[in-house]
Parts: sequence; structure tokens; C-alpha cells
Amino acid sequence: EIVMTQSPATLSVSPGERATLSCRASQSVSSKVAWYQQKPGQAPRLLIYGASARATGIPTRFSGSGSGTEFILTISSLQSEDFAVYFCQHYNDWPLMFTFGQGTRLEI
Amino acid sequence: QLQLQESGPGLVKPSETLSLSCTVSGGSISGSSYYWGWIRQPPGKGLEWIGSVYSNGNTHYNPSLKSRVSISVDTSKNHFSLRLTSVTAADTAVYYCARDLLRRLDFWGQGTPVTVSS
Repeated sequence: EIVMTQSPATLSVSPGERATLSCRASQSVSSKVAWYQQKPGQAPRLLIYGASARATGIPTRFSGSGSGTEFILTISSLQSEDFAVYFCQHYNDWPLMFTFGQGTRLEI
Repeated sequence: QLQLQESGPGLVKPSETLSLSCTVSGGSISGSSYYWGWIRQPPGKGLEWIGSVYSNGNTHYNPSLKSRVSISVDTSKNHFSLRLTSVTAADTAVYYCARDLLRRLDFWGQGTPVTVSS
């Protein structure tokens, strides 16, 4: 079973700064990684899929990179609405399986 | 705009069966390339994928829940359903339904909280 480990658990940054969130897979997962943003009381929102492709309507300040076992979500210039919890997720095509990281809380 | 809406009891007794439904509007559940999934989130914790169903009824389940889970689809009603048997307090969570487009969960319902308690 593949385990996705996110770091740090909490990241404190200021508006306008750059945030870098990490996700490590316990074994190579190619580029089969997505990132989600979740705000309190809301469902997760898809940000990035295929490790680096932005989902529809996602601002360009969000970018994803990595392959194999190391993945990064970068938010280039933090806006107030970006403070939330971020989850990485690996997907396996066959058998179909989704595995989420434990999340990184981005706070001011 | 595609919308998903979960529905079902918010309180289930231990050892009983949790049953939820997800109604899809603004699009057909029979569209090609789509699976439809259930994900849950215990209070204050992370996300756990429960399982997914294709429009032809083909299913995939999380191995950790496979013995207790059943997901079905009703294309005539444009909805899909979750059944989780023999529930315990550990099954208390917000349950989400979502569309799986080529392995990205791109549309989500708002979530429905379920508490397991006597």
C-alpha cells in the first residue's frame, strides 16, 4: 500500500509570500498525484492533477511539480483566501484506488 | 454546472447499516470516462476514499472497507448510493460524493455529516 506523507503539518506564512508544500510517496507513483484545497466547512476543491496540470478555473499562482516520489505545491503570492488545508492524493488506475496525504494547514 | 447532493440519515446506531444517496444534476451520470465516488472525513481528520462506481455498475472499493461497503448506481434516477454495514463510532464522518474524471475528483457534493451513536 502506498503512503502519502505531507510536510510540514502546519505552515505559517504572510500574505504576498510564497508557500511551498511537500508530499512524499512511499514508492514511485509516476505523476499520478493531485492536490486539493479545503476550507472550513467546505468540500475539497481540485487544484492540480497529473502532478502539474491546473484544474479548470484555478489561478496561475498555484503550481505543482514533481514525479516519482517527491511532489511540490507552490503558491507564488499568497492571497487571504488561500489560507486553508491542502491535501495531496495519489491515484492508481487498476485496481482503482485513491490515497490521500494527511494534509498541510496553511495559516497566517 | 454539474452539481452533486448527498442525502441520508445523519444518525445511525452502532451495528446498523449506513445508507446514503448522491443525486447528480446538470449532467448525466452515464457520461463516458466518469466514475462516481464516495469519500469520507472523520471530524478533524483527513480524507479517506471509500469506493467508486461506473455507470455500468462496475465498482472498486478501498480494501480496508471492502467487506462492509457496497456502491450502486441508478442511471434512470441519475444517482448513486453507498451502503456501509456494521457501523461503529469509527465510521462517524462527513461523507462526500464526487465525480472521478480520469482519476481526478473534479466535482464534489457539499458533504453530509453522519454520526454513529446509540
